[in-house]
Amino acid sequence: AQSVTQPDIHITVSEGASLELRCNYSYGATPYLFWYVQSPGQGLQLLLKYFSGDTLVQGIKGFEAEFKRSQSSFNLRKPSVHWSDAAEYFCAVGGGSYIPTFGRGTSLIVHP
Amino acid sequence: GAGVSQSPSNKVTEKGKDVELRCDPISGHTALYWYRQSLGQGLEFLIYFQGNSAPDKSGLPSDRFSAERTGGSVSTLTIQRTQQEDSAVYLCASSLFGVESEQYFGPGTRLTVT
Repeated sequence: AQSVTQPDIHITVSEGASLELRCNYSYGATPYLFWYVQSPGQGLQLLLKYFSGDTLVQGIKGFEAEFKRSQSSFNLRKPSVHWSDAAEYFCAVGGGSYIPTFGRGTSLIVHP
Repeated sequence: GAGVSQSPSNKVTEKGKDVELRCDPISGHTALYWYRQSLGQGLEFLIYFQGNSAPDKSGLPSDRFSAERTGGSVSTLTIQRTQQEDSAVYLCASSLFGVESEQYFGPGTRLTVT
């Protein structure tokens, strides 16, 4: 099966600063990789996903993520954070017929 | 179009009582998932329905938990003889196809067992 680690429980950034949220996975073949965002009081929403092809994936709300096979990572980035980006972010990994496994999440706090 | 809906949004129950949580997936979605989210924890997978296949129940934590999906649409998660440790937010998601597809999540049901 697979596993995923989000090493950072909380991340604090200033509005306008760049952001990188870490995600490391374990899976024996090429994984499916997802980033979801959960805003306060909202359900989870897909930001972006990687299945194959270009390792740099663009998503909604100005987010991008890069699949690095050699590092087993799929870090989420944004060049300039907005106050509305404050939320919980979940990385998920799947593959083949396996149901995706979600990480514990990283809580993003944005200071004005 | 309508998204995934869940009811009730909040449920408070006494220890030992049974509860039923309902999920209405997006019309036409063949796959349906149930997860549990506890404070500070990630999403804990509970059960997965895909089309007419037998559900994947590998995530159910005990035999007090069960779920069914009627007519390939609405799903009900039942927890019997609730315990305090069952207190959590229960999330439902649906997807158009199988596990490789984007999941669309409902707002969740917050269950509190007193």
